[in-house]
Amino acid sequence: QKEVEQNSGPLSVPEGAIASLNCTYSDRVSQSFFWYRQYSGKSPELIMSIYSNGDKEDGRFTAQLNKASQYVSLLIRDSQPSDSATYLCAVNIVPLSGTYKYIFGTGTRLKVLA
Amino acid sequence: EAQVTQNPRYLITVTGKKLTVTCSQNMNHEYMSWYRQDPGLGLRQIYYSMNVEATDKGDVPEGYKVSRKEKRNFPLILESPSPNQTSLYFCASSRSRNNSPLHFGNGTRLTVT
Repeated sequence: QKEVEQNSGPLSVPEGAIASLNCTYSDRVSQSFFWYRQYSGKSPELIMSIYSNGDKEDGRFTAQLNKASQYVSLLIRDSQPSDSATYLCAVNIVPLSGTYKYIFGTGTRLKVLA
Repeated sequence: EAQVTQNPRYLITVTGKKLTVTCSQNMNHEYMSWYRQDPGLGLRQIYYSMNVEATDKGDVPEGYKVSRKEKRNFPLILESPSPNQTSLYFCASSRSRNNSPLHFGNGTRLTVT
């Protein structure tokens, strides 16, 4: 089982709809969670950070974290064609021994249809 | 402007010819890391550094070297590049090694023929 899992997609949504992206992780000592947006051939760009259970909203984006169920999600409201990109979920793992590390999912490709 | 700067952006080389990809950050970040990104495999960590003179292997370190002599710089060295090192490379930094998001450079697309 991969440490961070995302559906590769593509997830297609019509313009103006809500896009829902999901991520599950396997390590129970994960402390912080990040969503990145990556356009083809470009570098990942941080969209949201979330550290505690519940929802965190920033503009059209809402991150949701449920540590008991080990999932984190990203909602994009009023989706725009410019939101079409690959969304990477990243987890900062704090192991019982050893070094902190960031684990990335392979990403979900989102297509917003005009 | 706060940023992570990588150079070069594109590099085509031949097997066995040593190369260095530079990475510099101006945010006084402690933690720096190198990733490679390949289709279907996502971002895989090559090496990371928690501070000056403190480096360690990531998940795919074979064929790579790094150094951290100054806090701002973290070059990636390929002593004898091979075609399987053809990839998109990213340098990233964060304020600390836990609970801080990574900030990425613009990437270096390397082709080894």
